[in-house]
Amino acid sequence: DSGVTQTPKHLITATGQRVTLRCSPRSGDLSVYWYQQSLDQGLQFLIQYYNGEERAKGNILERFSAQQFPDLHSELNLSSLELGDSALYFCASSGQGPRSEAFFGQGTRLTVV
Amino acid sequence: GDSVTQMEGPVTLSEEAFLTINCTYTATGYPSLFWYVQYPGEGLQLLLKATKADDKGSNKGFEATYRKETTSFHLEKGSVQVSDSAVYFCALRGYGGATNKLIFGTGTLLAVQP
Repeated sequence: DSGVTQTPKHLITATGQRVTLRCSPRSGDLSVYWYQQSLDQGLQFLIQYYNGEERAKGNILERFSAQQFPDLHSELNLSSLELGDSALYFCASSGQGPRSEAFFGQGTRLTVV
Repeated sequence: GDSVTQMEGPVTLSEEAFLTINCTYTATGYPSLFWYVQYPGEGLQLLLKATKADDKGSNKGFEATYRKETTSFHLEKGSVQVSDSAVYFCALRGYGGATNKLIFGTGTLLAVQP
């Protein structure tokens, strides 16, 4: 158990819909990362938050947004969903030190039909 | 920008064979280097790490040495088992930058046959 909790584990939704994925980081970790993993794109970095503030942005679509709340949990919002958004979405958290590793949740498998 | 390049898979080996998965990186400064493993249907788990040049990370029989002169962090295991079948990701984390984000390679699928 990594200590990072993601909900839900599975999500099936229709095209055009909006969903919210939730992540609770390990106790004490201030950084949260979101990644998308699909068969043809590998592991793509989407966005990072540090203590409530956006720290880095990767290949995140404009239809996607995220935030980190004061209790440090994070949500990834995906809207106007397309078939191509079907993927595994991972959240990871890490401590403050520049050399600390990241711990991953089990992921949310999103299927858009 | 910082990047990680790892060998493409799949890598198919027989049980007890020697494993090497190559990983090279590009980064400014002194990054930390990691290997993560993803078993089927699971999230990524940290396998080992090294935080400075010449450090050797090791875990579960796997080893990797941080080579600054060749900007490499190759993963090795002397004798693989069927249970080692998984996807292996090399990653780096830049030091001192404002983002400190983790950058991953594309992953290498390892299949070990009995």
